This record gives sequence, structure tokens and C-alpha cells, in this order.
Amino acid sequence: EVQVVESGGGLVKPGGSLRLSCAASGFIFTNYIMNWVRQAPGKGLEWVSSIGSDSNYIYYADSVKGRFTISRDNAKNSLYLQMNSLRAEDTSVYYCTRDMGAGGFDVWGQGTMVTVSS
Amino acid sequence: DIHMTQSPSSVSASVGDRVTITCRASQGLSSWLAWYQQKPGKAPKLLIHGASTLQSGVPSRFSGSGSGTDFTLTISSLHPEDFATYYCHQASSFPYTFGQGTKLEIK
Repeated sequence: EVQVVESGGGLVKPGGSLRLSCAASGFIFTNYIMNWVRQAPGKGLEWVSSIGSDSNYIYYADSVKGRFTISRDNAKNSLYLQMNSLRAEDTSVYYCTRDMGAGGFDVWGQGTMVTVSS
Repeated sequence: DIHMTQSPSSVSASVGDRVTITCRASQGLSSWLAWYQQKPGKAPKLLIHGASTLQSGVPSRFSGSGSGTDFTLTISSLHPEDFATYYCHQASSFPYTFGQGTKLEIK
């Protein structure tokens, strides 16, 4: 079964750090661009970051640039998001997604909740 | 950045109705446009990619059209399980952006 499973969310104080992980299975991970998308409570979807299949390119939303770092380990079929200097507005469900390469994200995890609060 | 404007933001309809949701981009996307369905507490589900290609396993009552800046998602005859929130998404250029969502409610 093709799937991605996120982990690492939790409650963190403003200014703190958190590292999200995404474990992929059921497909050839090295063939795909991967992404993080987030959704604040009761709000819409926001693209966060994308990374090329061999980390050959990386892009970030302006809202997280300089604070978040996306990375992947193809040997472990894993995607990561290191989040530093967290703010209340980063509170969201974070989804790991697979880019099908045809203009859509075809595989989504169940999401992991990140809450930034004192 | 490319701004995506969806309309309407919400719509009430009945089972069996035909519903159309539109998405307008601030710049041309060619056909790099996707549509997703999201139900409460669940991850989004890809319905349409490449503006008009139905994702595998998605019922044929869903269809997408358009190119450039104007796109539509049509549900030809609503089923009870179609009541959800729908998002468009441009994958033409970074930063990727989503529409604000259209909530489809039961009348």
C-alpha cells in the first residue's frame, strides 16, 4: 500500500523547535518530489516547502523561510521538516505529501498537529 | 506569487444537483491546476490534476476544465458523500498556492 505517515508533532513554546518526520512506504521514494503542506485550525491549506527527488532543489513559503528546513534521507525513505523559532501562527496540522509530477499531490498522510503556545 | 481566487466560498445544494466551482489565477498556469476534496478531520484527497485529468478511483461525476487563468470543477449529480470542502491548487510555479476553499453544504 502506498502511504506516508507523519510523526513528531506536539506542543511547543514560542521560540522553540520541533522536527517532523514522514515515513514513506509502498512506492519508490527516490522517484518523487515531496512536500509539506499545513492547515491552521478552521483554515485553508497552505503549501510550506518542497524538495526535489535527490534534494537537487528546495523551495519554501515566505512565511517559513529562514526558520524551517526541509530534508530527506532516500536510504531511509524519509522526509523531514526542522522547525525553529516557532510562532503561534505556525500552529497547524502538517501534512506530508507526494508530488505526482503532473500538477497534483496524490498521496497525503494523516497529518501531525503542531501547537505553539506558552 | 500567484493568487488563487475560488468562488463561491460556500454553496448549498441538494442530492442530485449539478454544482460548479470556479478558480481564477492571477497569472497563467497553462494546465498546472489540481482540485482536492477535504472532509472534516481528514486529509485532502486529489480529484483532478492537469486541470482536467480525473485521478484514478475518482467517480466520473467529477470533472475539471479550463486552462490559463480560469478553471472549473463540476460535480454532475451530487451524492451524499460529496458534501465537503473543495480546494484548487496551482502547481505552475513556486511558491505553490491554494484557493481559499469552497464549502459544499446540504440544502
